[in-house]
Formats: sequence, C-alpha cells, structure tokens
Amino acid sequence: GQQVMQIPQYQHVQEGEDFTTYCNSSTTLSNIQWYKQRPGGHPVFLIQLVKSGEVKKQKRLTFQFGEAKKNSSLHITATQTTDVGTYFCAGPRGNYQLIWGAGTKLIIKP
Amino acid sequence: DTGVSQDPRHKITKRGQNVTFRCDPISEHNRLYWYRQTLGQGPEFLTYFQNEAQLEKSRLLSDRFSAERPKGSFSTLEIQRTEQGDSAMYLCASSLEGGLGSYTFGSGTRLTVV
Repeated sequence: GQQVMQIPQYQHVQEGEDFTTYCNSSTTLSNIQWYKQRPGGHPVFLIQLVKSGEVKKQKRLTFQFGEAKKNSSLHITATQTTDVGTYFCAGPRGNYQLIWGAGTKLIIKP
Repeated sequence: DTGVSQDPRHKITKRGQNVTFRCDPISEHNRLYWYRQTLGQGPEFLTYFQNEAQLEKSRLLSDRFSAERPKGSFSTLEIQRTEQGDSAMYLCASSLEGGLGSYTFGSGTRLTVV
C-alpha cells in the first residue's frame, strides 16, 4: 500500500546548526504538506507544495518538492530553541485523507 | 472563533468502559476529520465528514468506534468497550471545502485505558 517514509527519526543539533528532514513517498503525490508539532502539542500546518521542483521559503525554513513529486525536504538554517519539535510531512491518500510520515524530531543539544 | 476545540483534553478510563469525545471545528469549515496518534508516529486517519455526511472511514475503525456529526457542526467520536490498545491521542481537524486542504487541528483528547 501507499507509504510515506521520513528520515531521520531524530536529529540532535547544537543551537545555530542546520537541520534537514527528508520525506519519500511510494507513490506520486499531487501535493505535500508539512506540519510542526511542539512537545505536548498538536500538529500545526506550515506549508503546502504543489508543483514539481517547487521551492518555498519561510524565513529560515526552506521546503522543496522533488521533480518526480515523490520526495520532499525541509531545511532549517541556524536552528533556534523555538524550532524544537517534530516535523511531519503528509500527502493525499484517496480523495479525503492524508497519509503521514512518522516525523523527524529536532532536539537542541544543551 | 478561536479554532478547533476538543473536549475533554484528557480521559482515563477502565478497560471495557465506553468513552465519547467532542470536537467543535472552525465554524466556516465544513470538512471535519478524526485522526489517532500514538507516541512516535504520525497521525492515522480514522474518519471524514463533509457537512453531516460521513464520507470515509478507515479500516482501522473497528465496529467499536462510531462517529457522528449530526448537524454538520460539532462531531462526536465514541469508543465502546475500550481496550488498552485504544490508548492514544485522538485529534480532530477541520478544513475549508475548496481550499488547498490544509488542516487546522484541535489540541486533541489523550485517552488512557487502564
């Protein structure tokens, strides 16, 4: 069946270092969404990518959608403590639901 | 309108008991979703309503689970004869029809079955 894989599961960084998470789908996606979930919180929508090869930026966050529309990445430059949380990618499955990756947890080393 | 509201925030119940959760979506959103999330995993789809019509149910949703959205506004999710495997965060989300499909999630109901 359709799967969305995300790597790595965890990433430990020093504050100020960069962070990247990768998302791979077993099928071509019409679009991909990214969400952030803070510890103890709920997922919060960050962005949606629709076009093949699309790149979008939100301040220190850069989102990419692959040419084949089967993979995506999120890159954070110069991480800050406010970036801590789990980042999820999600793509459509059928007409009504999203299928989610397992998330990448960003941990800032003390 | 302050977003999607879920009640209760936490529920501890004994195995075999029935529980019911409520979700109040953003008022202008006619699409409502229930998802379940366990530790270390992404949300798993449970069911979807468009207005009052339940258009899709996951195979994960056994016959112990039922959801309603009687007037196309708030929704309830009931779990009968709870099992320890039902322990999870139950998330409700809503979205606008015709929009890009991004969800607004509620804070969730954390269910613990003991």
